[in-house]
Amino acid sequence: GAVVSQHPSRVICKSGTSVKIECRSLDFQATTMFWYRQFPKKSLMLMATSNEGSKATYEQGVEKDKFLINHASLTLSTLTVTSAHPEDSSFYICSARPRRSPGNTIYFGEGSWLTVV
Amino acid sequence: AQSVTQLGSHVSVSEGALVLLRCNYSSSVPPYLFWYVQYPNQGLQLLLKYTTGATLVKGINGFEAEFKKSETSFHLTKPSAHMSDAAEYFCAVILNSGGYQKVTFGTGTKLQVIP
Repeated sequence: GAVVSQHPSRVICKSGTSVKIECRSLDFQATTMFWYRQFPKKSLMLMATSNEGSKATYEQGVEKDKFLINHASLTLSTLTVTSAHPEDSSFYICSARPRRSPGNTIYFGEGSWLTVV
Repeated sequence: AQSVTQLGSHVSVSEGALVLLRCNYSSSVPPYLFWYVQYPNQGLQLLLKYTTGATLVKGINGFEAEFKKSETSFHLTKPSAHMSDAAEYFCAVILNSGGYQKVTFGTGTKLQVIP
């Protein structure tokens, strides 16, 4: 099946620094990638949708300047958490929709645990 | 607007018993419906999906779900629970909106399997 890889799987950073999380579709071209955040004991929250070559569409309440999303190619999207704060500590998951996606199936990465200290 | 409701944030079943995880949705257009499973400290894995055609869909690990349009439901079932089924399960609705795809997840149901 289609594989989506996220890196790093775990990262610890200091408050005030920036951290980048990569999401790669390994065996397909992804026209659309999604970024989610999962709070403890809560469901996934869609942060933004990115289409290759265009600006990401952010969900209401998500700070664009804090969570920078770049979808530079059909196989790579990055999420950069800028000026990280302990409140940004969370589990971040990306997903990707293949260019040809029967039934609109999307595939998820393994997720990235971010801890801001 | 679309929404997904999963009844019961925690469900406990005995090993070998029937598993039933409930999912109801609201959508103004025919949706695509999915169930994902998340094992501890891992990402999401697709269990099964309904797009068109047969309303009873079978997925991995012996799970199946039935799309009932009249009830706007897509409940997940498994005849006999196994210890390895302990995980969190998410129901999701996917719609195409204005050329873009929007995914809405339910709040998740944590399944506990008791030996």
